[in-house]
Amino acid sequence: EADIYQTPRYLVIGTGKKITLECSQTMGHDKMYWYQQDPGMELHLIHYSYGVNSTEKGDLSSESTVSRIRTEHFPLTLESARPSHTSQYLCASSALFRTSEKLFFGSGTQLSVL
Amino acid sequence: GENVEQHPSTLSVQEGDSAVIKCTYSDSASNYFPWYKQELGKRPQLIIDIRSNVGEKKDQRIAVTLNKTAKHFSLHITETQPEDSAVYFCAASTGQAGTALIFGKGTTLSVSS
Repeated sequence: EADIYQTPRYLVIGTGKKITLECSQTMGHDKMYWYQQDPGMELHLIHYSYGVNSTEKGDLSSESTVSRIRTEHFPLTLESARPSHTSQYLCASSALFRTSEKLFFGSGTQLSVL
Repeated sequence: GENVEQHPSTLSVQEGDSAVIKCTYSDSASNYFPWYKQELGKRPQLIIDIRSNVGEKKDQRIAVTLNKTAKHFSLHITETQPEDSAVYFCAASTGQAGTALIFGKGTTLSVSS
């Protein structure tokens, strides 16, 4: 079934660890996004990509990196996790149609940094 | 870059009443304005969207209006029901390949029966 998948669903790690959050979509979408969101709160754009080998920074990009080597895969890496990184991370993808750019969101990764 | 302001941050209505959420945007090049609904513990889902060449769009109990001159757009929900309770996000985009969809801060709508 075409969808967008995020792993892990939950992650608890210690301060200073390097982590990678995985995101894959099987819809053939060109655009992919990473958002950070506390429960019911604002969606903060971290990074986005509009195709293979393209990445752009959002407002919260300074402490993370992304790569887009394959259309379907868009992992997010935190080089050194801090307690302030504790949050939910949502991956999304979209296809640019004539009149709509519908985002499909993954189920999210809930990250806790101790 | 684009900045989207959304008001109010919380909204409480009685079942059957109407609810209106308003957003303003800063980039005059923006031409695509979607609305997303996020229920508790779930992922955001698109409920309605509008392009700049249209002033109003309706889908059953929900409607979106756009005023490009004033750079604001609104979500209208009529005959609200308890299942409409959720966080609603507006967003804006220029629709170009290299740009991102920018979201407002969200409105928590509570519908009491």
